[in-house]
Amino acid sequence: AQSVTQLGSHVSVSEGALVLLRCNYSSSVPPYLFWYVQYPNQGLQLLLKYTSAATLVKGINGFEAEFKKSETSFHLTKPSAHMSDAAEYFCAVSFNSGNTPLVFGKGTRLSVIA
Amino acid sequence: GAGVSQSPRYKVTKRGQDVALRCDPISGHVSLYWYRQALGQGPEFLTYFNYEAQQDKSGLPNDRFSAERPEGSISTLTIQRTEQRDSAMYRCASSLFSAGGRGVEDTQYFGPGTRLTVL
Repeated sequence: AQSVTQLGSHVSVSEGALVLLRCNYSSSVPPYLFWYVQYPNQGLQLLLKYTSAATLVKGINGFEAEFKKSETSFHLTKPSAHMSDAAEYFCAVSFNSGNTPLVFGKGTRLSVIA
Repeated sequence: GAGVSQSPRYKVTKRGQDVALRCDPISGHVSLYWYRQALGQGPEFLTYFNYEAQQDKSGLPNDRFSAERPEGSISTLTIQRTEQRDSAMYRCASSLFSAGGRGVEDTQYFGPGTRLTVL
């Protein structure tokens, strides 16, 4: 069985500061890992995904995440926050590369302060 | 191009009424997923289809919930005799390839969701 834990339901950063959103997973098989972003009144949008190739994954809007098997983590980072990054972020796991139902974390709301 | 659409976007109903939620996937997408998201939680899987065949309905909470996709395109999630605990955001996603097999690169594209409120 798979599960995801996102540490921190709300993260607040200043504009231009580093963004770090934490995600730890549990999986009985080699996992596929995803980060989705949800802007207000919109659907979930895929930011990036790890599918057992490079452990450092680059996504859209300057975000990246690093798969660390020893730590069972897949934290999302961005060097410099923009106001437009304010949204809710969800980490998800599946035993396939997006081809099977996803198991989501509870989400982290990111606020960016001017 | 058109993404996944869902209707209605908002639905308010009284306890005991039946509701039907519609999902129109991206044209040509084979797989369609339904998720439910309670306030403050992440989406939880309900069921999914490949073409018109329902592959997995293990996430449906009870037999008041059902889903169909009769022509392999539009899908309807029906909740009978609604209860207040059914209030949530219901999300639909579609993907290009047939779901269930390991090793196939794919992405699930989500619709905007239907916010259901049961009074």
